[in-house]
Amino acid sequence: QKEVEQNSGPLSVPEGAIASLNCTYSDRGSQSFFWYRQYSGKSPELIMFIYSNGDKEDGRFTAQLNKASQYVSLLIRDSQPSDSATYLCAGPNAGGTSYGKLTFGQGTILTVHP
Amino acid sequence: DTGVSQDPRHKITKRGQNVTFRCDPISEHNRLYWYRQTLGQGPEFLTYFQNEAQLEKSRLLSDRFSAERPKGSFSTLEIQRTEQGDSAMYLCASSLLGRFTEAFFGQGTRLTVV
Repeated sequence: QKEVEQNSGPLSVPEGAIASLNCTYSDRGSQSFFWYRQYSGKSPELIMFIYSNGDKEDGRFTAQLNKASQYVSLLIRDSQPSDSATYLCAGPNAGGTSYGKLTFGQGTILTVHP
Repeated sequence: DTGVSQDPRHKITKRGQNVTFRCDPISEHNRLYWYRQTLGQGPEFLTYFQNEAQLEKSRLLSDRFSAERPKGSFSTLEIQRTEQGDSAMYLCASSLLGRFTEAFFGQGTRLTVV
């Protein structure tokens, strides 16, 4: 099993809908998770990070972390065509002792259609 | 300072040739990371520096790969005797120590080995 897995999608949602992106991880010791957005041909940009169990909201984005079930999710409310991108989930590399050494999932391609 | 700068943006090389990439981090950032991303996958950690010290290397980094960060400023990543499997986007990121949530990725160097 990969350390961080994103099994879903491509995901296509209509404009204005809620997009739900999911990620599971294998290392129970992982404490923090990051969601990156990557437009085609561009570099990843950090949009959310979460350290604690529960929800974290930032504008239209909500990150959810469930340590008992070892999953992380990202909800995008009122999806816009400009949200169309690949979304990458990342967590600390197993055995890593510092932020920056991350393991990324393979990404989920999101398309928001008008 | 306009962010993390990588050069070149694209490189096409013949199998067996050596290539070198450069990364200029945000000037006050003491941590610098190299990642590799192949098509349809998330970035994979290669190595990172704290100032001029290379603190960790992934097992993905074979003996053909070497990275340096002389004087703790810019960094170079060299690949010797390139193979077709080295074709990927090579991403550099930088951050302040302990503040990876404020890390920024460069635009990457796309390597194609023919």
